[in-house]
Amino acid sequence: EAQVTQNPRYLITVTGKKLTVTCSQNMNHEYMSWYRQDPGLGLRQIYYSMNVEVTDKGDVPEGYKVSRKEKRNFPLILESPSPNQTSLYFCASSWAGTDTQYFGPGTRLTVL
Amino acid sequence: QKEVEQNSGPLSVPEGAIASLNCTYSDRGSQSFFWYRQYSGKSPELIMFIYSNGDKEDGRFTAQLNKASQYVSLLIRDSQPSDSATYLCAVRSSSASKIIFGSGTRLSIRP
Repeated sequence: EAQVTQNPRYLITVTGKKLTVTCSQNMNHEYMSWYRQDPGLGLRQIYYSMNVEVTDKGDVPEGYKVSRKEKRNFPLILESPSPNQTSLYFCASSWAGTDTQYFGPGTRLTVL
Repeated sequence: QKEVEQNSGPLSVPEGAIASLNCTYSDRGSQSFFWYRQYSGKSPELIMFIYSNGDKEDGRFTAQLNKASQYVSLLIRDSQPSDSATYLCAVRSSSASKIIFGSGTRLSIRP
C-alpha cells in the first residue's frame, strides 16, 4: 500500500530533550516536506527536500533540523525542544514536478 | 497581510445547497492553487488543483481561479453531511518550491 508513515504518532517530552520524528514514504517520491499545524495558523512549512541531500528552509525552520540521506526517509530533528514547538506535525511527499502531495497521519508533540 | 487568507468560518450550509469557499493570495507570481479537505483529527487530503484562470470541475466540486484579482474559490454542489470538514487553500509560490497554506475554513453541512 502506497503510504507516508510517521513515528511516533504521539509524543510528550520535556524542554531540552532531543527528539527525532521519523517520516518514510514507499512511493519513490523525490519531494518531501514537513509542516506544523497550529490552531488559527493553518499548515506552515518547516523544511522541504527536492531530493536526496537537497534540503531547504520553509517558513518556520527555527529550532528544527532535517536530513535526507535516503530517498524514502526525511526525519525531523528537534535538538532542544521548547514549549512553543508543541504542535501537530505532518510529513508530506510527492513526485517532482507534480502537485499531489500525500500526507502522513500526523505526529502530535507536546513539550512540557 | 497573510500570504494566503481564508475566512475561518464556521460556514454553515444546508444539505443539498451549494457551499462556496473563498481564498485570496498575495504573491502575484503564484503558479498553482490547491484545495485540501481535512477531517477533524485526520491529515489533509488533496481534492482539487487549478493552474489556469477560469473554472475546473470534478464531480460536485468546482475550483475557480482569477489571477488578476488573486482569488481562488471552491464550490461544492449538492452539499452532503460528509462534506463537513475544514478546507485548506494552498498556493505554490513563485519560487515553485514552497507551498503556502491558508488557515482553513471550517464547513458544516446541516441536515
